[in-house]
Amino acid sequence: EDQVTQSPEALRLQEGESSSLNCSYTVSGLRGLFWYRQDPGKGPEFLFTLYSAGEEKEKERLKATLTKKESFLHITAPKPEDSATYLCALVNQAGTALIFGKGTTLSVSS
Amino acid sequence: DTEVTQTPKHLVMGMTNKKSLKCEQHMGHRAMYWYKQKAKKPPELMFVYSYEKLSINESVPSRFSPECPNSSLLNLHLHALQPEDSALYLCASSQAEEVSGANVLTFGAGSRLTVL
Repeated sequence: EDQVTQSPEALRLQEGESSSLNCSYTVSGLRGLFWYRQDPGKGPEFLFTLYSAGEEKEKERLKATLTKKESFLHITAPKPEDSATYLCALVNQAGTALIFGKGTTLSVSS
Repeated sequence: DTEVTQTPKHLVMGMTNKKSLKCEQHMGHRAMYWYKQKAKKPPELMFVYSYEKLSINESVPSRFSPECPNSSLLNLHLHALQPEDSALYLCASSQAEEVSGANVLTFGAGSRLTVL
């Protein structure tokens, strides 16, 4: 069964304190792994798509990496505006839809 | 214009009411989606329209009725809902011509529905 598990559920960081969010997954044949950011009261916003193990993508303070079993979202020197829920999502085995993880809620304090 | 606009932002309805949620995009996207998101839970796919035709229905109860009047508009008609249907309803669109889970989605801000 296709499955996405994110950890930790919540993460509190001081401004400038780098850390990583984890997304572990099981799927028969990876068709794509997505990272989205969701601010309170808003819809998710696309960040990255990764397709194969070893792939990395960067955007500002965020870097996403992918292995055969998990993906990491590394946050370097975070700022308060990085506070949000980060959702990992997997293309399902049928290739028709995304399966979202429960998310990691990141709080960055100054 | 890179937005997906949803109205209303908030809706409170009784179990016997009939109401509709509306979604509009002017990005020329040909696939449109409805997702349901309960508090502290991930979004769950409900329906997908591709070229104004229903492509995917994730076994959603018939009290939810989607409609795609044209390529820019997507409605979700609500009737005889239950309190457990209270949630944030998200509309999304994607540029890709084929419906695929790998399509990048642009989400609206959502309509928060409360069923009394």
